[in-house]
Amino acid sequence: QMQLVESGGGLVTPGGSLRLSCTVSGFTLSDYYMTWIRQIPGKGLEWVSYTGTTGAYTNYADSVKGRFTISRDNSKNSLYLQMSSLRGEDTAVYYCARLAVRSVTAPFDFWGHGILVTVSS
Amino acid sequence: QSMLTQPPSVSGAPGQSITISCTGRSSNIGAGYDVHWYQQLPGTAPKLLIYNNINRPSGVPERFSGSKSGTSASLAITGLQAEDEADYYCQSYDNNMNVVFGGGTKVTVL
Repeated sequence: QMQLVESGGGLVTPGGSLRLSCTVSGFTLSDYYMTWIRQIPGKGLEWVSYTGTTGAYTNYADSVKGRFTISRDNSKNSLYLQMSSLRGEDTAVYYCARLAVRSVTAPFDFWGHGILVTVSS
Repeated sequence: QSMLTQPPSVSGAPGQSITISCTGRSSNIGAGYDVHWYQQLPGTAPKLLIYNNINRPSGVPERFSGSKSGTSASLAITGLQAEDEADYYCQSYDNNMNVVFGGGTKVTVL
């Protein structure tokens, strides 16, 4: 059974850093592009970043470029999002998701349950 | 500000049909990129509903259908059921290969 489980969320002060992890099971992580998407509670979805199968190819939303870094360790079945210089507007539920095929235009076919990140003093 | 425009809300009585529009630009949907749709039930993660404009993943009822034309796409739900009450999001890409989402549409079953 396929599972994506996010961890590492919580409360952080503005300007601080946090690393999210997404541990997957039920499929071979190295076969898939992966993405992070966030959602301010009660609001819509916002794409954050995606990475190719090895981590060499990445792309970021303008709102996080230069502050967030996506990475992966396929040997540990894990995807990461290193977030720094955090702002109040980064407060959201963060989802990791799998792209269905090896293409950046693939749909997101499986999602984690999400993890809340709160940036506040 | 969403790059794709959806109506904030759509409602219908059980059994009726509704359509949710998703309007983009020449730099995203109009550039030929596929559109995908997601359903988000209250308190849960989004779920893929329609992919590559018109395709349903296994397990998605036939009453859900998608279409795309020019710079827009649409999601239709026929035979509306109470369990269809959820938020629906369209998603595509732009010429910078950034992912773009619609602002979401809340579907209410009257």
